[in-house]
Amino acid sequence: NAGVTQTPKFQVLKTGQSMTLQCAQDMNHNSMYWYRQDPGMGLRLIYYSASEGTTDKGEVPNGYNVSRLNKREFSLRLESAAPSQTSVYFCASSLDAIYEQYFGPGTRLTVT
Amino acid sequence: ELKVEQNPLFLSMQEGKNYTIYCNYSTTSDRLYWYRQDPGKSLESLFVLLSNGAVKQEGRLMASLDTKARLSTLHITAAVHDLSATYFCAVEVGNSGYALNFGKGTSLLVTP
Repeated sequence: NAGVTQTPKFQVLKTGQSMTLQCAQDMNHNSMYWYRQDPGMGLRLIYYSASEGTTDKGEVPNGYNVSRLNKREFSLRLESAAPSQTSVYFCASSLDAIYEQYFGPGTRLTVT
Repeated sequence: ELKVEQNPLFLSMQEGKNYTIYCNYSTTSDRLYWYRQDPGKSLESLFVLLSNGAVKQEGRLMASLDTKARLSTLHITAAVHDLSATYFCAVEVGNSGYALNFGKGTSLLVTP
């Protein structure tokens, strides 16, 4: 099993450009999450999907949109990138609410 | 607003010594998670604590949860260099059952 995979691993965008971060899991998990990690800030939840067909905002949703394409895939879209969105983005999944989350390898995004 | 505070944020300790990392949180929660992150890597689940008084041990690490005190501890016994990493605690936010609020992490360096 690959676990949680993310693409791309690295990305550089100019201010105003758009892009979609892809995430997929092969563990048949119901719940998926998107976090950003900034130095000294820990991880902050952007959006989550409790189950296929549902999405909810987390702590820092502004500037992002998500799509739960199917049970396996959960994408994060930046419509108009800003330098403040420079960060490392992690996707995670869990069987359900109380279970531990499994994290992907991360995407390092730089917006210039 | 839920606050999750870890103490200390940086810890340098000698091999063979014992130490405890503390995780305090500001609102009622019965669930707490500990994760480990190596530099430049993703997060790995260490412990899931689901009730008051829960104690879990894995190797040289032991985690406990006191929901009345809103406190979790991660105790390190006879530290070895391989334990050098950043350790995060995370607490459930509100009643969603899914969203986690992470502490800022404790960077641990174990030296000979």
